[in-house]
Amino acid sequence: GAGVSQTPSNKVTEKGKYVELRCDPISGHTALYWYRQSLGQGPEFLIYFQGTGAADDSGLPNDRFFAVRPEGSVSTLKIQRTERGDSAVYLCASSPWGGSGNTIYFGEGSWLTVV
Amino acid sequence: GIQVEQSPPDLILQEGANSTLRCNFSDSVNNLQWFHQNPWGQLINLFYIPSGTKQNGRLSATTVATERYSLLYISSSQTTDSGVYFCAVEWRGTYKYIFGTGTRLKVLA
Repeated sequence: GAGVSQTPSNKVTEKGKYVELRCDPISGHTALYWYRQSLGQGPEFLIYFQGTGAADDSGLPNDRFFAVRPEGSVSTLKIQRTERGDSAVYLCASSPWGGSGNTIYFGEGSWLTVV
Repeated sequence: GIQVEQSPPDLILQEGANSTLRCNFSDSVNNLQWFHQNPWGQLINLFYIPSGTKQNGRLSATTVATERYSLLYISSSQTTDSGVYFCAVEWRGTYKYIFGTGTRLKVLA
């Protein structure tokens, strides 16, 4: 596609429920990133994929968070047993190739509210 | 970890005014990008600028990597420039960008 596409754009869920957020990167981009942005803060790194593998998942806050990219294109961020503190905008980004020297391009984000 | 600080945190300008936003970082970086986050939350790339100076219309940016800072210049500001400006640095080839604290800009008509 022309840009990074994220779905859903908005999600309201009850505490304790399971949530999946989807990211469709720019066509041909091999690197994919997930970030989380809380109100009034800058985006915080969660995980980086190079192809199908998670090259760096050091930003995932705990084991309730998990992300996959099985075919090296679309990625899904999965959150189990959601908590109110998980409420944030989840941003996906992609870049042409892995490694240094890349411009990264962001989607419009998925706004998650846990009530 | 690396610290990325931006100043000023908040800025209010009258339309037509010029401004300079600063980004300081505490360690060596391979790359640096400036973003504008519009009121709808979309992060828009402004510059990819690991070093040197670039210009794009009313905006320009300079990065002095050896001194660990970057500047974003906005000239003849417009109300559509309002939003939050972030710098983000790629730390030591880690392939992930670390975002700064942001500068919230409001341009008044």
